[in-house]
Amino acid sequence: DAKTTQPNSMESNEEEPVHLPCNHSTISGTDYIHWYRQLPSQGPEYVIHGLTSNVNNRMASLAIAEDRKSSTLILHRATLRDAAVYYCILPGNQFYFGTGTSLTVIP
Amino acid sequence: EPEVTQTPSHQVTQMGQEVILRCVPISNHLYFYWYRQILGQKVEFLVSFYNNEISEKSEIFDDQFSVERPDGSNFTLKIRSTKLEDSAMYFCASSEWASGGIMYNEQFFGPGTRLTVL
Repeated sequence: DAKTTQPNSMESNEEEPVHLPCNHSTISGTDYIHWYRQLPSQGPEYVIHGLTSNVNNRMASLAIAEDRKSSTLILHRATLRDAAVYYCILPGNQFYFGTGTSLTVIP
Repeated sequence: EPEVTQTPSHQVTQMGQEVILRCVPISNHLYFYWYRQILGQKVEFLVSFYNNEISEKSEIFDDQFSVERPDGSNFTLKIRSTKLEDSAMYFCASSEWASGGIMYNEQFFGPGTRLTVL
């Protein structure tokens, strides 16, 4: 199973940036880093993924450390709708969802 | 925007009964998955399916479980003899095919079927 470590919970004020960290010190050279989120009472939702370079999409940015042992998901302006559990995943043959980081957005 | 759909949204069954959970993946996707989430716990991988056969399965996916793609659109999960501990939310997901498998493509999840075993 993929080996990632995330804080259990984080808080952010609405409309401020949020940086969600993930440690994956045993990552291999071919492991992609995926981020998913799960809003309350919904299925998981893809956020972003990358290999080595930083990635941007309409939802978020992914900053990957040069040694690839850690990454950070960046939400540029948190909204109340971004309150969710965020999962950092290194898929091998299957996705392993850990406990993730529960993000609370404060109005 | 295309989406994965699942039916029913809620299924209640008696212990020992067979249930079939149905999913319609996104039409051009070729990888299909089932996950489950017991209330308050992690999302757990059950099985992946590609080219009409199981690609990977977890230790949870024992002989009581089976999957099938009975036609060109549906993907089903069957639990032969349900137990109380099978009560959970079951999520179906699909992804496009890519060389190297699941590592490169996002998975699209359905809204889930809540299974309650009494």
